[in-house]
Amino acid sequence: AQSVTQLDSHVSVSEGTPVLLRCNYSSSYSPSLFWYVQHPNKGLQLLLKYTSAATLVKGINGFEAEFKKSETSFHLTKPSAHMSDAAEYFCVVSGYADKLIFGTGTRLQVFP
Amino acid sequence: SAVISQKPSRDICQRGTSLTIQCQVDSQVTMMFWYRQQPGQSLTLIATANQGSEATYESGFVIDKFPISRPNLTFSTLTVSNMSPEDSSIYLCSLRGLDGYTFGSGTRLTVV
Repeated sequence: AQSVTQLDSHVSVSEGTPVLLRCNYSSSYSPSLFWYVQHPNKGLQLLLKYTSAATLVKGINGFEAEFKKSETSFHLTKPSAHMSDAAEYFCVVSGYADKLIFGTGTRLQVFP
Repeated sequence: SAVISQKPSRDICQRGTSLTIQCQVDSQVTMMFWYRQQPGQSLTLIATANQGSEATYESGFVIDKFPISRPNLTFSTLTVSNMSPEDSSIYLCSLRGLDGYTFGSGTRLTVV
């Protein structure tokens, strides 16, 4: 069975500093992995996805994630945080029959 | 990528009543998914809806409480029946396209 674990429920950074949101996954086969962002009172937006091509995936708004099979991780990073990055971030794995399994989410706060 | 129009965007309902949420897609899709996001929580899959067949419900969700219709390849509805305050959540529909998964903007339901 597939599952994802987001290791931090809250992450706080200062504007201009790096962002690291951690995600570990469990899958019995090569997974498809996604990061979604949800701004307050807004819908879900796809940041990036991994589907067994390049292990370093670049997404929108300067975010990227690296698929590490040996560590079963898919951490999300950004070199320099912006105030507009404050939101809830979900790590997601695609499971059986295209069902998405969501992590519990990480709330990112960005301080000026 | 496909665009989903979901409505209503929000509603406040009396307990014991029912609410039907609609999702209209601008292209034909085989499978649609319905999710629930309880306050402060992650997303949980309610059911998968294929056109022309009964929806498949996840553990903890039943058809009598969450009947789903899928009359054609561009439309689906989810009804939340006999509502109680515990049903207060955001409900989202989703589909899988070529670029990944697309989500409706969500229906924020408050049951009083």
